[in-house]
Order: sequence, then C-alpha cells, then structure tokens
Amino acid sequence: DQQVKQNSPSLSVQEGRISILNCDYTNSMFDYFLWYKKYPAEGPTFLISISSIKDKNEDGRFTVFLNKSAKHLSLHIVPSQPGDSAVYFCAAMASGSRLTFGEGTQLTVNP
Amino acid sequence: NAGVTQTPKFQVLKTGQSMTLQCAQDMNHEYMSWYRQDPGMGLRLIHYSVGAGITDQGEVPNGYNVSRSTTEDFPLRLLSAAPSQTSVYFCASSYSIGRGQTTEAFFGQGTRLTVV
Repeated sequence: DQQVKQNSPSLSVQEGRISILNCDYTNSMFDYFLWYKKYPAEGPTFLISISSIKDKNEDGRFTVFLNKSAKHLSLHIVPSQPGDSAVYFCAAMASGSRLTFGEGTQLTVNP
Repeated sequence: NAGVTQTPKFQVLKTGQSMTLQCAQDMNHEYMSWYRQDPGMGLRLIHYSVGAGITDQGEVPNGYNVSRSTTEDFPLRLLSAAPSQTSVYFCASSYSIGRGQTTEAFFGQGTRLTVV
C-alpha cells in the first residue's frame, strides 16, 4: 500500500521555466510533508517542508503547496536551473514519527 | 562536523555471506534509521531507533538486524545475504523533539551493495 505516491517518474523542463513536481498521499494522519533532493551517488538532502496547518511555504526559488482536501502537494521551482537536475522525493510523517517516501521524480533541466 | 558517515561505499557479497554496514553520526541525534532504495520504489524503511538501546522494525525488516549501543552508531547487519538485498542503503539521523517526534532527516552518502 503506497501511502505517498509520485506519479511522474520523470520531468523535463527548459532552463528559466517553472518546474512543478507533484505528490499525492492517502494517509489523513500525515501532518508534516517534506521534499528531498538527491544527486547520483549522494544521499538525499532536505529541501523544504510544510506543516499541515499551512497551505504554502516558500524558500527562495522553491515553494511547496499543500492541498489537504485533495491530499496533494506540489513543489514549484522557479526559475529552474541546470543544477536543479536531480531526483526529488516527496515524504510525509504523522505526528513526528517515521518518514514515508514517494517513489521519486527525476527532474532534468535543459540549458 | 562530518554529519552522517556510512562505510563502506561499495560492497559485493556472495549469497549466504554476512556483513555489517556501518553508520555513525556526530550531531547528537537521538533518532536514527536505515533505508534501502530500489528503482521505482523510493526509500523504504528497514529499521529505526529512537535512542540508545531502543530499536524497532520498519517496513522491510526481514533479513536485517540492528543494534544501538551508543547515540552515535547504528550498524545494520545482513545475516545471510540474498540477491534480493542488492540495493543502495542509506542511513539517516534526525533530531528528536520529544515524545518520539522528530524533525527532518539527514542522510549519509549511501552504500551500494551487490549480492551475487
């Protein structure tokens, strides 16, 4: 039972345009959501998070949106840069317990 | 401050062999965990620990053993390696904010394990 799902295995965008990565979840107990970024041969690194009491969190070029009624969150990167090319994992936790990850989306930003 | 350190980075094992993947963190984090990453399946939790002397099973614990004798170290043991355990393994640690709750996890660089 995949509680966190990233339906797009890959996404390709042009440099300077917006990248939108999507994530859906099924467990209504999830109250904290995170995005991780992973380069090849490295461990995932924390990017941005959002609590369920908010619907938006922004950090520079990265914004995460949460739609609780739809059980959907998205990560917007604008403007996209070639260095953003990586695998992005969506993750969720309930009451600060263990993380549940999605399958990941490979983002490629073309110069 | 090295963060989370995993050794080795690469390992090839024969079926039936045992080995220990090492993980150490210097951030004084109470919460540590082990994940495996397989294509199309994201990161799946193997075992975790909320503090020294306390461990628990995650989503895919079979074939693995852990112990937590110190805050810093959280080794993962493969008891009798099988080809299905070919994967990339990540150790992570996070700060506990009390009552078993944690913040975002910090990951090591991973161990790529091949079982032949």
